[in-house]
Amino acid sequence: DGGITQSPKYLFRKEGQNVTLSCEQNLNHDAMYWYRQDPGQGLRLIYYSQIVNDFQKGDIAEGYSVSREKKESFPLTVTSAQKNPTAFYLCATRGYMNTEAFFGQGTRLTVV
Amino acid sequence: GDSVTQMEGPVTLSEEAFLTINCTYTATGYPSLFWYVQYPGEGLQLLLKATKADDKGSNKGFEATYRKETTSFHLEKGSVQVSDSAVYFCALSLTFRTNAGKSTFGDGTTLTVKP
Repeated sequence: DGGITQSPKYLFRKEGQNVTLSCEQNLNHDAMYWYRQDPGQGLRLIYYSQIVNDFQKGDIAEGYSVSREKKESFPLTVTSAQKNPTAFYLCATRGYMNTEAFFGQGTRLTVV
Repeated sequence: GDSVTQMEGPVTLSEEAFLTINCTYTATGYPSLFWYVQYPGEGLQLLLKATKADDKGSNKGFEATYRKETTSFHLEKGSVQVSDSAVYFCALSLTFRTNAGKSTFGDGTTLTVKP
């Protein structure tokens, strides 16, 4: 099946820990994006990447880091510097021939 | 910068009622416009889209028309069902050359349909 796989679906983090959220796609899309969604709010862009080995900060990049070593993969690390990491995280992709974004199922991160 | 403003929710309707969710936008250039739907605990799914002025997007009984003169893309459905209960997001995107293909989203409107 073509699509975007985010894992894990639920993730718990202790204070001061770094955690990494996985996003894998087999759509052969060049562009990948990470969004954060808080209750009752829209999506805010964290980081994005248009090609392998290159990525740019979005609107709320502080406390997050990413890598793009393979076209298929765009992992997001939530570092201890992110003071309020509890949220729903969505990974999306877009191909150059598409106008719309395609989304994974999301990862819900909770700080315990 | 680019922005999307959509009708605040939540919206509660009875089954078979008429639905309208308003959406207006500001953008440089000529955006494509979208409605996405999100069910609880899931990611967003594309509901419909329109890529140029006067285009009408439609899917599953939902419709929206790209109105350049009023910078609007209102979502409508003639008769809602309980299964339509979800959060609806209006969004726009530009070309990769313009802004790396990033999407701009409204805050979402929660729709609850009661039997």
